[in-house]
Amino acid sequence: EDQVTQSPEALRLQEGESSSLNCSYTVSGLRGLFWYRQDPGKGPEFLFTLYSAGEEKEKERLKATLTKKESFLHITAPKPEDSATYLCAVDSGGYQKVTFGTGTKLQVIP
Amino acid sequence: DVKVTQSSRYLVKRTGEKVFLECVQDMDHENMFWYRQDPGLGLRLIYFSYDVKMKEKGDIPEGYSVSREKKERFSLILESASTNQTSMYLCASSDPQETQYFGPGTRLLVL
Repeated sequence: EDQVTQSPEALRLQEGESSSLNCSYTVSGLRGLFWYRQDPGKGPEFLFTLYSAGEEKEKERLKATLTKKESFLHITAPKPEDSATYLCAVDSGGYQKVTFGTGTKLQVIP
Repeated sequence: DVKVTQSSRYLVKRTGEKVFLECVQDMDHENMFWYRQDPGLGLRLIYFSYDVKMKEKGDIPEGYSVSREKKERFSLILESASTNQTSMYLCASSDPQETQYFGPGTRLLVL
């Protein structure tokens, strides 16, 4: 059974204090790993898709990286508007059955 | 931009009522999905559909059914709502083996 574990569950940062969120996964065969951002009471908003180990993608202050066992979401000099829950998900099955982690809740304090 | 819309943001229903949640996507995606999201449990797949009139059970289909009569529309039906179905319901759509895009969610309260 596919498993996705995100850590930490919650993270509190000062504005400008860079950090990383972790997503470790166990799948039979990785087709893709996804990162989403979710604001309270809203649906997840797509950030990145990574397909193979060594791949990296960036968007503003966010950078996602992928190894064979885990992915990191690096946040550089975060701002309060980066506060959200960040979800990781993996696609390993037919008809794109995707397994989600439970997320990391990030709070950035001014 | 991909747009996935859900019929209601908030719903309050009574135990035993039949509940319809509707989802519409405007990107001509083949796949559509219904999830529920609960604190500490993450997103769990209820049902998905890979074509019109085709459906597959997800991880937690009990107490739910779905309908996909048109490619752009995917409905989730709670046959007889129960309090343990109080949750946030999220619809998503995608092309095969591509990223899933989510709607804004429906927060359902069953009393």
